[in-house]
Amino acid sequence: EDQVTQSPEALRLQEGESSSLNCSYTVSGLRGLFWYRQDPGKGPEFLFTLYSAGEEKEKERLKATLTKKESFLHITAPKPEDSATYLCAVQATSSASKIIFGSGTRLSIRP
Amino acid sequence: EPEVTQTPSHQVTQMGQEVILRCVPISNHLYFYWYRQILGQKVEFLVSFYNNEISEKSEIFDDQFSVERPDGSNFTLKIRSTKLEDSAMYFCASGYDEQYFGPGTRLTVT
Repeated sequence: EDQVTQSPEALRLQEGESSSLNCSYTVSGLRGLFWYRQDPGKGPEFLFTLYSAGEEKEKERLKATLTKKESFLHITAPKPEDSATYLCAVQATSSASKIIFGSGTRLSIRP
Repeated sequence: EPEVTQTPSHQVTQMGQEVILRCVPISNHLYFYWYRQILGQKVEFLVSFYNNEISEKSEIFDDQFSVERPDGSNFTLKIRSTKLEDSAMYFCASGYDEQYFGPGTRLTVT
Protein backbone atom coordinates (compact mmCIF):
# COMPACT_ATOMS: atom_id res chain seq x y z
CA GLU A 1 0.00 0.00 0.00
CA ASP A 2 1.30 3.46 -0.92
CA GLN A 3 2.16 5.46 2.18
CA VAL A 4 3.68 8.78 3.24
CA THR A 5 5.12 9.39 6.72
CA GLN A 6 6.32 12.80 7.85
CA SER A 7 8.52 13.64 10.82
CA PRO A 8 8.62 15.30 13.18
CA GLU A 9 4.91 15.98 13.79
CA ALA A 10 5.80 19.40 15.21
CA LEU A 11 8.93 21.51 15.26
CA ARG A 12 9.61 24.73 17.10
CA LEU A 13 12.60 26.79 16.01
CA GLN A 14 14.08 30.13 16.89
CA GLU A 15 14.14 32.68 14.08
CA GLY A 16 17.30 32.06 12.04
CA GLU A 17 17.71 28.47 13.26
CA SER A 18 17.95 26.20 10.20
CA SER A 19 16.49 22.68 10.18
CA SER A 20 15.03 19.92 7.99
CA LEU A 21 11.69 18.19 7.71
CA ASN A 22 11.53 14.58 6.63
CA CYS A 23 9.11 12.75 4.34
CA SER A 24 9.48 8.98 3.96
CA TYR A 25 7.45 7.29 1.30
CA THR A 26 6.53 3.82 0.15
CA VAL A 27 5.10 3.66 -3.34
CA SER A 28 5.09 1.03 -6.05
CA GLY A 29 6.65 3.43 -8.53
CA LEU A 30 7.12 7.15 -7.96
CA ARG A 31 5.72 9.49 -10.55
CA GLY A 32 6.18 12.62 -8.44
CA LEU A 33 6.66 13.91 -4.91
CA PHE A 34 5.07 17.19 -3.89
CA TRP A 35 5.56 19.66 -1.06
CA TYR A 36 2.79 22.00 0.04
CA ARG A 37 2.42 24.61 2.74
CA GLN A 38 -0.87 24.89 4.63
CA ASP A 39 -1.83 27.78 6.87
CA PRO A 40 -4.62 27.24 9.46
CA GLY A 41 -8.08 27.17 7.89
CA LYS A 42 -6.73 27.51 4.34
CA GLY A 43 -6.07 25.29 1.36
CA PRO A 44 -2.63 23.80 0.67
CA GLU A 45 -0.28 26.05 -1.27
CA PHE A 46 1.96 24.38 -3.86
CA LEU A 47 5.70 24.62 -3.23
CA PHE A 48 7.63 21.98 -5.23
CA THR A 49 7.41 18.89 -7.41
CA LEU A 50 10.32 16.42 -7.51
CA TYR A 51 10.44 13.57 -9.98
CA SER A 52 13.65 11.60 -9.56
CA ALA A 53 16.28 10.76 -6.95
CA GLY A 54 18.96 13.41 -6.75
CA GLU A 55 16.68 16.21 -7.84
CA GLU A 56 16.70 19.44 -5.81
CA LYS A 57 14.52 22.56 -5.98
CA GLU A 58 14.76 25.85 -4.13
CA LYS A 59 12.46 28.72 -3.36
CA GLU A 60 13.55 31.54 -1.07
CA ARG A 61 14.52 29.91 2.27
CA LEU A 62 13.23 26.45 1.27
CA LYS A 63 15.08 23.67 -0.51
CA ALA A 64 13.57 20.27 -1.30
CA THR A 65 15.63 17.17 -2.04
CA LEU A 66 14.68 13.64 -3.07
CA THR A 67 16.18 10.18 -2.62
CA LYS A 68 14.70 6.79 -3.52
CA LYS A 69 13.04 6.47 -0.11
CA GLU A 70 12.62 9.96 1.30
CA SER A 71 12.52 13.67 0.72
CA PHE A 72 13.77 16.50 2.88
CA LEU A 73 12.54 20.05 3.10
CA HIS A 74 15.42 22.17 4.33
CA ILE A 75 14.58 25.55 5.77
CA THR A 76 17.45 28.02 6.06
CA ALA A 77 17.37 30.96 8.48
CA PRO A 78 13.58 30.77 8.92
CA LYS A 79 11.42 33.77 9.75
CA PRO A 80 8.17 33.81 11.79
CA GLU A 81 6.17 34.03 8.54
CA ASP A 82 7.47 30.56 7.62
CA SER A 83 5.31 29.15 10.43
CA ALA A 84 2.80 26.74 8.86
CA THR A 85 2.11 23.05 8.37
CA TYR A 86 4.24 21.55 5.60
CA LEU A 87 2.66 18.67 3.71
CA CYS A 88 4.37 16.03 1.61
CA ALA A 89 2.44 14.06 -1.00
CA VAL A 90 3.24 11.39 -3.60
CA GLN A 91 1.75 10.18 -6.83
CA ALA A 92 2.39 6.62 -7.97
CA THR A 93 3.08 5.68 -11.58
CA SER A 94 0.06 3.37 -11.36
CA SER A 95 -2.21 6.35 -10.70
CA ALA A 96 -3.61 8.70 -13.31
CA SER A 97 -3.97 11.58 -10.90
CA LYS A 98 -4.47 10.50 -7.27
CA ILE A 99 -2.00 11.93 -4.79
CA ILE A 100 -1.53 10.67 -1.24
CA PHE A 101 -0.74 13.16 1.50
CA GLY A 102 1.22 12.72 4.70
CA SER A 103 0.01 14.08 8.02
CA GLY A 104 2.31 17.09 7.83
CA THR A 105 4.88 18.77 10.04
CA ARG A 106 3.63 21.74 12.04
CA LEU A 107 6.45 24.30 12.00
CA SER A 108 6.54 27.19 14.45
CA ILE A 109 9.20 29.91 14.26
CA ARG A 110 9.70 32.07 17.36
CA PRO A 111 10.92 35.67 16.88
CA GLU B 1 -2.77 36.04 -10.25
CA PRO B 2 -5.40 33.40 -11.15
CA GLU B 3 -6.84 31.43 -8.26
CA VAL B 4 -9.34 28.71 -7.49
CA THR B 5 -12.49 29.96 -5.78
CA GLN B 6 -15.05 28.00 -3.76
CA THR B 7 -18.53 28.72 -2.49
CA PRO B 8 -19.92 28.71 0.08
CA SER B 9 -17.13 29.14 2.62
CA HIS B 10 -19.25 27.42 5.27
CA GLN B 11 -22.30 25.19 4.85
CA VAL B 12 -24.39 23.79 7.67
CA THR B 13 -26.84 21.05 6.79
CA GLN B 14 -28.94 18.43 8.51
CA MET B 15 -28.19 14.74 8.24
CA GLY B 16 -29.86 13.22 5.19
CA GLN B 17 -29.96 16.46 3.22
CA GLU B 18 -28.29 17.00 -0.14
CA VAL B 19 -25.53 19.58 -0.51
CA ILE B 20 -23.74 21.00 -3.53
CA LEU B 21 -20.31 22.50 -3.14
CA ARG B 22 -19.14 24.79 -5.92
CA CYS B 23 -15.75 25.59 -7.35
CA VAL B 24 -14.39 27.76 -10.13
CA PRO B 25 -11.04 26.28 -11.23
CA ILE B 26 -8.27 28.25 -12.91
CA SER B 27 -9.50 28.90 -16.43
CA ASN B 28 -6.82 27.21 -18.56
CA HIS B 29 -6.49 24.12 -16.36
CA LEU B 30 -7.78 20.79 -17.63
CA TYR B 31 -7.63 18.61 -14.49
CA PHE B 32 -9.91 19.26 -11.53
CA TYR B 33 -10.02 17.58 -8.13
CA TRP B 34 -11.92 17.35 -4.88
CA TYR B 35 -10.22 16.59 -1.58
CA ARG B 36 -11.48 16.54 1.97
CA GLN B 37 -9.79 17.16 5.29
CA ILE B 38 -11.46 16.08 8.49
CA LEU B 39 -10.41 18.34 11.38
CA GLY B 40 -6.92 17.45 12.53
CA GLN B 41 -6.46 14.73 9.89
CA LYS B 42 -4.75 14.28 6.54
CA VAL B 43 -5.86 15.78 3.28
CA GLU B 44 -7.62 12.93 1.43
CA PHE B 45 -8.12 12.57 -2.31
CA LEU B 46 -11.73 12.07 -3.37
CA VAL B 47 -11.88 12.35 -7.15
CA SER B 48 -10.20 13.75 -10.24
CA PHE B 49 -11.98 14.94 -13.38
CA TYR B 50 -10.61 15.37 -16.87
CA ASN B 51 -12.21 15.85 -20.26
CA ASN B 52 -15.71 15.90 -18.74
CA GLU B 53 -15.42 12.58 -16.97
CA ILE B 54 -14.07 11.09 -13.78
CA SER B 55 -10.41 10.18 -14.23
CA GLU B 56 -9.88 8.49 -10.88
CA LYS B 57 -11.70 8.17 -7.56
CA SER B 58 -10.87 6.94 -4.10
CA GLU B 59 -12.76 4.41 -2.00
CA ILE B 60 -14.27 7.33 -0.09
CA PHE B 61 -16.04 8.53 -3.25
CA ASP B 62 -19.00 6.17 -3.10
CA ASP B 63 -22.47 6.38 -4.66
CA GLN B 64 -23.55 9.27 -2.44
CA PHE B 65 -20.99 11.54 -4.14
CA SER B 66 -21.09 12.91 -7.66
CA VAL B 67 -19.21 15.58 -9.61
CA GLU B 68 -20.23 17.70 -12.52
CA ARG B 69 -18.93 20.46 -14.73
CA PRO B 70 -22.27 22.08 -15.60
CA ASP B 71 -20.76 24.85 -17.72
CA GLY B 72 -17.37 26.12 -18.88
CA SER B 73 -16.33 27.50 -15.54
CA ASN B 74 -17.96 25.71 -12.60
CA PHE B 75 -17.07 22.36 -11.06
CA THR B 76 -19.40 20.92 -8.42
CA LEU B 77 -19.39 18.20 -5.79
CA LYS B 78 -22.77 16.85 -4.74
CA ILE B 79 -23.35 14.79 -1.63
CA ARG B 80 -26.79 13.21 -1.91
CA SER B 81 -27.63 12.22 1.65
CA THR B 82 -25.21 13.71 4.13
CA LYS B 83 -23.99 11.84 7.18
CA LEU B 84 -22.42 13.16 10.36
CA GLU B 85 -19.06 11.78 9.24
CA ASP B 86 -19.15 13.92 6.09
CA SER B 87 -18.37 16.94 8.27
CA ALA B 88 -15.02 18.18 6.98
CA MET B 89 -13.26 20.85 4.96
CA TYR B 90 -13.69 20.20 1.25
CA PHE B 91 -11.05 21.55 -1.11
CA CYS B 92 -11.25 21.92 -4.85
CA ALA B 93 -8.01 22.00 -6.84
CA SER B 94 -6.98 22.37 -10.46
CA GLY B 95 -3.79 21.80 -12.40
CA TYR B 96 -1.71 18.71 -12.89
CA ASP B 97 1.83 18.45 -11.48
CA GLU B 98 1.26 21.78 -9.78
CA GLN B 99 -2.15 21.60 -8.15
CA TYR B 100 -3.66 24.87 -6.98
CA PHE B 101 -6.13 24.57 -4.13
CA GLY B 102 -9.10 26.73 -3.31
CA PRO B 103 -9.77 28.13 0.18
CA GLY B 104 -12.17 25.31 1.01
CA THR B 105 -15.78 24.87 2.09
CA ARG B 106 -16.32 23.88 5.69
CA LEU B 107 -19.23 21.44 5.75
CA THR B 108 -20.93 20.84 9.07
CA VAL B 109 -23.57 18.08 9.23
CA THR B 110 -25.82 18.19 12.29
